[in-house]
Amino acid sequence: AQSVTQPDIHITVSEGASLELRCNYSYGATPYLFWYVQSPGQGLQLLLKYFSGDTLVQGIKGFEAEFKRSQSSFNLRKPSVHWSDAAEYFCAVGGNTGTASKLTFGTGTRLQVTL
Amino acid sequence: GAVVSQHPSRVICKSGTSVKIECRSLDFQATTMFWYRQFPKQSLMLMATSNEGSKATYEQGVEKDKFLINHASLTLSTLTVTSAHPEDSSFYICSAGAHYSYEQYFGPGTRLTVT
Repeated sequence: AQSVTQPDIHITVSEGASLELRCNYSYGATPYLFWYVQSPGQGLQLLLKYFSGDTLVQGIKGFEAEFKRSQSSFNLRKPSVHWSDAAEYFCAVGGNTGTASKLTFGTGTRLQVTL
Repeated sequence: GAVVSQHPSRVICKSGTSVKIECRSLDFQATTMFWYRQFPKQSLMLMATSNEGSKATYEQGVEKDKFLINHASLTLSTLTVTSAHPEDSSFYICSAGAHYSYEQYFGPGTRLTVT
């Protein structure tokens, strides 16, 4: 069974500081990995995804993530956080089936940005 | 491209009534659609997967007679919550996948409140 762990429920960073959100996954083969962001009362916005190839993935809004197979991790990073980045962030894993498959989400990390 | 809409965005219904939520892929053909449920301040939980023209596959613990899913066309899936109760109040999010992509495209969600 696939699973995702986001160990940090809530993180607070100052605007301009760097950010790293942790994500560990469990999957029997090479997974498809995703990071989504959700603002209150809104749907999900895809930040970035990993399917194969280069393990360092660039996304929107200046985010990047690195797939580390040996650590079963897919941590999200941003070198300088903006106040507008405050939101809930979800890591998700999907099956490597060749088409869209069901996603298993982590419990999410709520990011608070202080000015 | 790859836009998914949901209607309504918010709905309030009385206990015992049924409510239908529509999920539409606006600019692509969705061979697979997924329905997720999200409780306040919690993660998304997959309820069911539906393929066009086939019966939906429900996740363990999801009552198929209560949450009726229909995927009658390549652009429309509906979720009907039958005999709604206050505990069915939640945020329901659909996503759609095309045959040519590993990615799911999420709708903006529907907030259901059962009084």
